[in-house]
Amino acid sequence: GAVVSQHPSWVICKSGTSVKIECRSLDFQATTMFWYRQFPKQSLMLMATSNEGSKATYEQGVEKDKFLINHASLTLSTLTVTSAHPEDSSFYICSAPDTRSYEQYFGPGTRLTVT
Amino acid sequence: LAKTTQPISMDSYEGQEVNITCSHNNIATNDYITWYQQFPSQGPRFIIQGYKTKVTNEVASLFIPADRKSSTLSLPRVSLSDTAVYYCLVVGNYGQNFVFGPGTRLSVLP
Repeated sequence: GAVVSQHPSWVICKSGTSVKIECRSLDFQATTMFWYRQFPKQSLMLMATSNEGSKATYEQGVEKDKFLINHASLTLSTLTVTSAHPEDSSFYICSAPDTRSYEQYFGPGTRLTVT
Repeated sequence: LAKTTQPISMDSYEGQEVNITCSHNNIATNDYITWYQQFPSQGPRFIIQGYKTKVTNEVASLFIPADRKSSTLSLPRVSLSDTAVYYCLVVGNYGQNFVFGPGTRLSVLP
C-alpha cells in the first residue's frame, strides 16, 4: 500500500515555543490530508482537513491560529503548533485518503511533549 | 456518518480465535465497513474492508450479515503481537475523514 511519513517521530519543546510537524505522501499525491490528535488511552480525534492550495478546514474547538496547517504541495502538509503549552502534549497523526477507495493511509505519528 | 459500537476491551489467549463485533445500526446503502489496527505510539493500520457477506485476507476475516447492521472481525489464532486497539469504521465516500470511536482494546495473554 501507499506510504505516509511523518517527521519528526518525536519532539520535546519548551512552553511558548513553536513546533512544526511534517506529513509526506511518499509514493502518491494527496490533495487532501487529515490531521488527528490522540491523547493517552484515547481514540483519534480529527483536528483539521488540509487541502492543497487552499485553507485548511478546522474541526469545532480547534484553534486555527494555534495549529497552523500548510499544504503547499501534493505530497506535503505541515502542522505547526504555535506557542505550545503542556496541554498540547499529545500524539499527532496525519493521514491521506486513497481517493479511489475507502482506505486511508496513516503516518506513524509524532509524539509531542511540551515542558 | 454512521456511529459504531464495539466492546471497549477483550482478553484472549495465544492461539485462540478472536471475534470482535461492531454494531452500526444506521449504516447507509453506500457505506463500507473497514477495520484498522493500532499499536501503541503508531498510526492505525488497515486490516480489512467489506460491504456484505464475508471477506477474507491473509490476516483476518470480516463477516457481515445481510442487514449489515453489524460486522464481526475474526482474527485466527492470535499471538501476543496482536495485542492492539481495533477500530471499526463505516465509510461512505471516497476520501472522507474517519470518525474514530473508542475501539476495542485486545489483550492477548500467554
